[in-house]
Amino acid sequence: AQTVTQSQPEMSVQEAETVTLSCTYDTSESDYYLFWYKQPPSRQMILVIRQEAYKQQNATENRFSVNFQKAAKSFSLKISDSQLGDAAMYFCAYLDSNYQLIWGAGTKLIIKP
Amino acid sequence: EPEVTQTPSHQVTQMGQEVILRCVPISNHLYFYWYRQILGQKVEFLVSFYNNEISEKSEIFDDQFSVERPDGSNFTLKIRSTKLEDSAMYFCASMPRTYEQYFGPGTRLTVT
Repeated sequence: AQTVTQSQPEMSVQEAETVTLSCTYDTSESDYYLFWYKQPPSRQMILVIRQEAYKQQNATENRFSVNFQKAAKSFSLKISDSQLGDAAMYFCAYLDSNYQLIWGAGTKLIIKP
Repeated sequence: EPEVTQTPSHQVTQMGQEVILRCVPISNHLYFYWYRQILGQKVEFLVSFYNNEISEKSEIFDDQFSVERPDGSNFTLKIRSTKLEDSAMYFCASMPRTYEQYFGPGTRLTVT
């Protein structure tokens, strides 16, 4: 069974700085999708970025980018120019072959003004 | 921009009562899901629904749970006899063919 691990329960970063959130996963599949979701205090789950495993190019979405290392099964999220509105829980998730999302435990991101 | 909606935003119920959580997925999406998140814990998959039937369900989704898509737009999750441990945020999600799941704002269920 697939598993997703986020080893950082909490991270903090100074406003305008860059922060990287870690995620590793375990799978025997060769084709899959990976996602980062943001959950602010409202608890709404917001899609941040996605990566297709068959693509070597790392996904980028404005200030958000990923470092996808397929062989190492690593999928980290980099947030550049951190803003106060980025403060939230961030979840890494893996879409399995049954189209279910398998979730990490989350990383709480704190932005220091 | 279309979005997934869920009602109610917060439901308080007594143990043993039935609850129905409602969702309106994005209209041209094909797959529908329910997930739950107990406070402070991981998000857990409950059930997926495709082509008007359940496609997958987790161990959590026992006989107390059921889903319906009664009218082609609403997607409901029913818990027949709630337990204290059913207290959680329940998220509905829908997915087009592009494999991105779009989530509703969640229903916070409190069982007393």
